[in-house]
Amino acid sequence: DTEVTQTPKHLVMGMTNKKSLKCEQHMGHRAMYWYKQKAKKPPELMFVYSYEKLSINESVPSRFSPECPNSSLLNLHLHALQPEDSALYLCASSQLAGPNEQFFGPGTRLTVL
Amino acid sequence: GQNIDQPTEMTATEGAIVQINCTYQTSGFNGLFWYQQHAGEAPTFLSYNVLDGLEEKGRFSSFLSRSKGYSYLLLKELQMKDSASYLCAVGNTDKLIFGTGTRLQVFP
Repeated sequence: DTEVTQTPKHLVMGMTNKKSLKCEQHMGHRAMYWYKQKAKKPPELMFVYSYEKLSINESVPSRFSPECPNSSLLNLHLHALQPEDSALYLCASSQLAGPNEQFFGPGTRLTVL
Repeated sequence: GQNIDQPTEMTATEGAIVQINCTYQTSGFNGLFWYQQHAGEAPTFLSYNVLDGLEEKGRFSSFLSRSKGYSYLLLKELQMKDSASYLCAVGNTDKLIFGTGTRLQVFP
């Protein structure tokens, strides 16, 4: 299994809602990542988890809260988002953190109304 | 600061060769990655260079010069399906820093 899966594919939420994005991989990778991508722009790193511990937070606002319950799962909890947070949210994994090939999931298209 | 620059857009003809350049100035360097991303899809890995020189993989080759902070991706025998965005990314400690991306359009 060389796949990273993400659910849901699409999400529409209001500014007062609380929702979660889910990412799963079964490749035995020990590093997992969240990226945000706006249209026609490159992915921007948000968080890195290494061995289930948060190793990098790229100064992301606290309305985004990551969680790594185990080595296969990564969640992103969303609360009180703003319309400018609308974007494609990509999850990725790699064997280890560092200069390793990252495998990306298909992303969740988020719209904040 | 971190700067990774690529041309914004390029066009080419089916069957031709195209070279996509990437220049970088970063505070750390653990290798240079190239990814392909079709519209609405996830990025997929193409190549990785950590030492100077050319790496060849089928129709795609990637070159790195660390002293010049320069890389290129060479695509040969272009096909319509090669129309996509091409992202170079610098490995830096535990993360990848992506360049601005190049949208390549291949015409018949």
